[in-house]
Amino acid sequence: DTEVTQTPKHLVMGMTNKKSLKCEQHMGHRAMYWYKQKAKKPPELMFVYSYEKLSINESVPSRFSPECPNSSLLNLHLHALQPEDSALYLCASSQANRGSYEQYFGPGTRLTVT
Amino acid sequence: GQNIDQPTEMTATEGAIVQINCTYQTSGFNGLFWYQQHAGEAPTFLSYNVLDGLEEKGRFSSFLSRSKGYSYLLLKELQMKDSASYLCAVNEVTTDSWGKLQFGAGTQVVVTP
Repeated sequence: DTEVTQTPKHLVMGMTNKKSLKCEQHMGHRAMYWYKQKAKKPPELMFVYSYEKLSINESVPSRFSPECPNSSLLNLHLHALQPEDSALYLCASSQANRGSYEQYFGPGTRLTVT
Repeated sequence: GQNIDQPTEMTATEGAIVQINCTYQTSGFNGLFWYQQHAGEAPTFLSYNVLDGLEEKGRFSSFLSRSKGYSYLLLKELQMKDSASYLCAVNEVTTDSWGKLQFGAGTQVVVTP
């Protein structure tokens, strides 16, 4: 199984809503990532978890709150977002983060903030 | 930090060969990846280079020169389904020894009949 799954596929939320994005992998990977991708732009790294601990936060605003409940799951909690936060949110996983390993990407959640 | 440069768009005909160049400057290089991304879909892994030289994988090959900060992805026997964005991504090691994948802006390859 080389699949990373993400739910939901699409999400529309208002600026006062609270919602969560979910990501799951069963490859035994110990590193998981959140990326944000705007149209016709490359993915931008937001957070990295390694062995369920946050190892990199790319100065992401606090309205985005990541959580890694266990080695297979990664959540991104959203609160008080802005319209400019509308984007494709990609989750990825890799065998580890120290060293250089291929990252497997999930299909993404397309988020629209109204 | 680093700069990663690749052409914005390339057009080629079915059956032809296309070479996508990527140049980079980085403070902590630990490998270079190429990903393919179709519109509206997730990136998928194509190739990885960490040592100088050529890596061949079927119709796709990738080359790396660390001293020149240069890589290319070669797509042979182009097919219509190869129309996609091709992302050059450098694995940068932070001062804490964590790995960060930094992507270039992507090269949109258009394959015409």
